[in-house]
Amino acid sequence: DVKVTQSSRYLVKRTGEKVFLECVQDMDHENMFWYRQDPGLGLRLIYFSYDVKMKEKGDIPEGYSVSREKKERFSLILESASTNQTSMYLCASSPSLGTNEQFFGPGTRLTVL
Amino acid sequence: SQQGEEDPQALSIQEGENATMNCSYKTSINNLQWYRQNSGRGLVHLILIRSNEREKHSGRLRVTLDTSKKSSSLLITASRAADTASYFCATGGNMLTFGGGTRLMVKP
Repeated sequence: DVKVTQSSRYLVKRTGEKVFLECVQDMDHENMFWYRQDPGLGLRLIYFSYDVKMKEKGDIPEGYSVSREKKERFSLILESASTNQTSMYLCASSPSLGTNEQFFGPGTRLTVL
Repeated sequence: SQQGEEDPQALSIQEGENATMNCSYKTSINNLQWYRQNSGRGLVHLILIRSNEREKHSGRLRVTLDTSKKSSSLLITASRAADTASYFCATGGNMLTFGGGTRLMVKP
């Protein structure tokens, strides 16, 4: 069965901390995505990676960076967390061939105090 | 900006009734997808309809696509309490753009 896992379901951090959100997929997918989801704003794409060490900015990359050192793992980094980054973060993956269906992880609800 | 916009934003029905959600989009598409999200969880893919298809069924789900009107609808027949969730349409290639979603509540 297809699986995308995220390192934490809930996370509480303080303003200014460096935060790592990890995502792992076991489907050998080329594409991986990070979204944030906020009430009234829907899902917004932060970053996208289509291959190891490759990344593309999404709609709202400011304040975030990403790392993809291995095909199965895509990390989202908040260099200096701020309260406006309190949100639900969703990771997804998809194959580069075939349909563009995305497979989502369970999400990480991050609170920055 | 969101490519897809769902309508209504919220829908409340009784168990056994049908639920219809609509999605409008702005640019031409190759396919359109519908996803479900249970509260506080990730999204789950429900169904994909290609631009050359007009209707598609999967169990109690029926999706229609009208490319001339740039719209799609998702019908859930004989709804159950377990169908309570948010439903999103999505369009795009490798990078999908999601609509704002319809929150469906099915009362037992």
